[in-house]
Amino acid sequence: GDSVTQMEGPVTLSEEAFLTINCTYTATGYPSLFWYVQYPGEGLQLLLKATKADDKGSNKGFEATYRKETTSFHLEKGSVQVSDSAVYFCALSEGYSGAGSYQLTFGKGTKLSVIP
Amino acid sequence: DTGVSQNPRHKITKRGQNVTFRCDPISEHNRLYWYRQTLGQGPEFLTYFQNEAQLEKSRLLSDRFSAERPKGSFSTLEIQRTEQGDSAMYLCASSFLGAGVSYNEQFFGPGTRLTVL
Repeated sequence: GDSVTQMEGPVTLSEEAFLTINCTYTATGYPSLFWYVQYPGEGLQLLLKATKADDKGSNKGFEATYRKETTSFHLEKGSVQVSDSAVYFCALSEGYSGAGSYQLTFGKGTKLSVIP
Repeated sequence: DTGVSQNPRHKITKRGQNVTFRCDPISEHNRLYWYRQTLGQGPEFLTYFQNEAQLEKSRLLSDRFSAERPKGSFSTLEIQRTEQGDSAMYLCASSFLGAGVSYNEQFFGPGTRLTVL
């Protein structure tokens, strides 16, 4: 079945440091890939997505590229801020043209703490 | 519309009691999903509805779990005879899925945190 493996946390960085959170996946077909973020006390929010190979998703300075050859979708940000402190989840879903469940399969999450 | 809402936000119950959670999706969304999240883990899919039809329920954790979406609007998740292992955050998400889409963006509610004593 589908699975997502992401970098174990927690990760602690100083403000303005470079961030990478690794994510690899196993899927039977051609999934869409997502990064969700959960800020303290809040619900899950979609951060960025990519729906096919070589797509780059980006939002709020975060980027991730869908790499089919390495089955990876690593999250990067060039300069983190204290406000980026949160738990980040890599996820995939499978479905095509409206058919299928499109259920999300999540990794375990990586907690990021950014210190001033 | 203010997004997906879930009630209650917290529920404490004694082992063996039944509990029911409610999810109100974004109004025009035709899909509704339930997930469970335990401490230190990512959310785990339980079941989903397309309008009022429950299209997948094999991933419900046991026959003590059931879900309904009677009129294709709000949904309820019931756990009968709760056990301590049921303690978790229960998340609801909704989406709009039309023909020809390549992905399905799900919008999550804040969750209901269940504690079974």
